[in-house]
Order: sequence, then C-alpha cells, then structure tokens
Amino acid sequence: SQQGEEDPQALSIQEGENATMNCSYKTSINNLQWYRQNSGRGLVHLILIRSNEREKHSGRLRVTLDTSKKSSSLLITASRAADTASYFCATDAKGSARQLTFGSGTQLTVLP
Amino acid sequence: KAGVTQTPRYLIKTRGQQVTLSCSPISGHRSVSWYQQTPGQGLQFLFEYFSETQRNKGNFPGRFSGRQFSNSRSEMNVSTLELGDSALYLCASSPQAMSSYEQYFGPGTRLTVT
Repeated sequence: SQQGEEDPQALSIQEGENATMNCSYKTSINNLQWYRQNSGRGLVHLILIRSNEREKHSGRLRVTLDTSKKSSSLLITASRAADTASYFCATDAKGSARQLTFGSGTQLTVLP
Repeated sequence: KAGVTQTPRYLIKTRGQQVTLSCSPISGHRSVSWYQQTPGQGLQFLFEYFSETQRNKGNFPGRFSGRQFSNSRSEMNVSTLELGDSALYLCASSPQAMSSYEQYFGPGTRLTVT
C-alpha cells in the first residue's frame, strides 16, 4: 500500500511559473523525502525534511511539512523546461518496518 | 565519486526463467535497497541490505530474493518469472539505514518478461 499520495496527478505550467505539488500520508513519520524522476530513469533526491521541521529550502525548491495535517508540499519557483519530470514523496513511517514508502507521483510538464 | 551502477540496463526473459540483477553502490555506502516500479503499482520497496544482512523486506513473494557481498555490491534474483514481473528495477544506496537518509538511485534495469 502507498503511504503518500501526491496531488495533483499531473500538472502543466508555463516556463517561469511556480509549481506546487502536495503529498498526504496516513501515519506518523520520522521523515519525508521528495524525489524527481526523469522519464524511465533513476530517481534523484531533492529534499529530506524531518518530522520536527516545518520548512526547508534548496535553491528554487521549498518544502513544507504539516504533521498535524499529515501533509507536505513541494514548491518549485521560476520553473524551467528542464524541471519536466515526475515528482514523488516518500515517507519513513514511525514503527517497526523502517522503509521508504513512495507515493504515486505528480507528473509535471513545463512548457517553453 | 562514481554513482550507483546497475547491470544489465535492459533484459528480456521468458516466463518461467530466472534472472539476476546487479547493483554496485556508491563507495562507502553500506545500505542497498531494491525497488520495483510499474505503471500500475508505482514504486514498491522490495528489500534492504546492510552489511550483508537483510534488514527489511517488502510485500513480495519468495521468488524475489537478494544478497549483499562484503564489498556492499548487491544482487537481486527473481525465479520462475511471470509476465507481471516486467518492470523497472531500481536499486539505491545510502551511507546508513536507508529510511533515515537520502537515497542515491541507479539508472535501473528494465526487465521485460515475454
């Protein structure tokens, strides 16, 4: 089963616009991670945010975490065509089975 | 540092055969995890190896197995292949326990079962 679910499933924007993707999860977590995947390739780690953190930044990326609502958001500012990819959230749930559970992903298309 | 490498990159097998996939982690990384990615089920965790021991296992049948060698390289084996095993198999490495650290993914092995 998937712990995290991304919303929207697909997003299409113009270059220069901001893109926001959301992730909701079901159980308490130790941390939440965001990854990017270009078509049919391996995943690239973007940001890891721990359960006691509320916001993290990395370049044009901003991630927020609201543990009370069990949700996270990924904001990409001033998007570029090269940002076109699938974006996944992955959660490390509290409990005995320490494993990352990935959501179904958001397909982002940035139009030039 | 060299990234995570996976061999082979593409593989075509027949139903009923078995297959072995290989993963070489980033130098110094002790944890190797395997994932299966399909359009229908998404990314699913198979198992994690750390210092030659399986730490965690996902919800997959016993046909899926793996091992890790003393140099941290890992292999994954699937026996009695089924059509539904067609997928992109990804391995990832991290310095310590994978769920607490960022994962470095390889390019994947695309397995097609006919």
